[in-house]
Amino acid sequence: KQEVTQIPAALSVPEGENLVLNCSFTDSAIYNLQWFRQDPGKGLTSLLLIQSSQREQTSGRLNASLDKSSGRSTLYIAASQPGDSATYLCAVMNVQGAQKLVFGQGTRLTINP
Amino acid sequence: DVKVTQSSRYLVKRTGEKVFLECVQDMDHENMFWYRQDPGLGLRLIYFSYDVKMKEKGDIPEGYSVSREKKERFSLILESASTNQTSMYLCASSSGHPSYEQYFGPGTRLTVT
Repeated sequence: KQEVTQIPAALSVPEGENLVLNCSFTDSAIYNLQWFRQDPGKGLTSLLLIQSSQREQTSGRLNASLDKSSGRSTLYIAASQPGDSATYLCAVMNVQGAQKLVFGQGTRLTINP
Repeated sequence: DVKVTQSSRYLVKRTGEKVFLECVQDMDHENMFWYRQDPGLGLRLIYFSYDVKMKEKGDIPEGYSVSREKKERFSLILESASTNQTSMYLCASSSGHPSYEQYFGPGTRLTVT
């Protein structure tokens, strides 16, 4: 059974720092991996999607990498801003799984001005 | 821009009531999903649908049913609401092959008293 883990559960950093969020998964037979952002009480916003054949994806100050063989993904945020404060979730879609996403518990990120 | 809307942001219902949560997407996506999100348990899939009138059970379908009469609309039904169904409910739709990227609505916070 696929399990997705995000460590740490919470992270607090000063504004301007570059930071890395981690995601690990137990079964490497994935179709894709998706990173989401969730603000308190709101829905999920898709940030980046990496197909299993890709190594990384970039959008603005965000860069996501995927190492399928080791079961790891990282989300790199450059020059962090207070507006980046949110919970970040990663989710994988298994090759065998009928498009179901398996989510991690998320990392709650706080950027201090 | 991708848009998924949900009928209510907040809903308060009494135990035993029949509850309808509606979700509409404007991307002509074939695939739609209902999740619930609870502290400590993360996001869990309730039901999903591949096409009109097609539905599949997710991980926690007990106490729920769904309806998809039109491609753009996917309804979640709580036949007889119970207090343990108090939760945040999130609807998503998927672009399908090849990316299968999921897009989420703003969520409905349901409280059953």
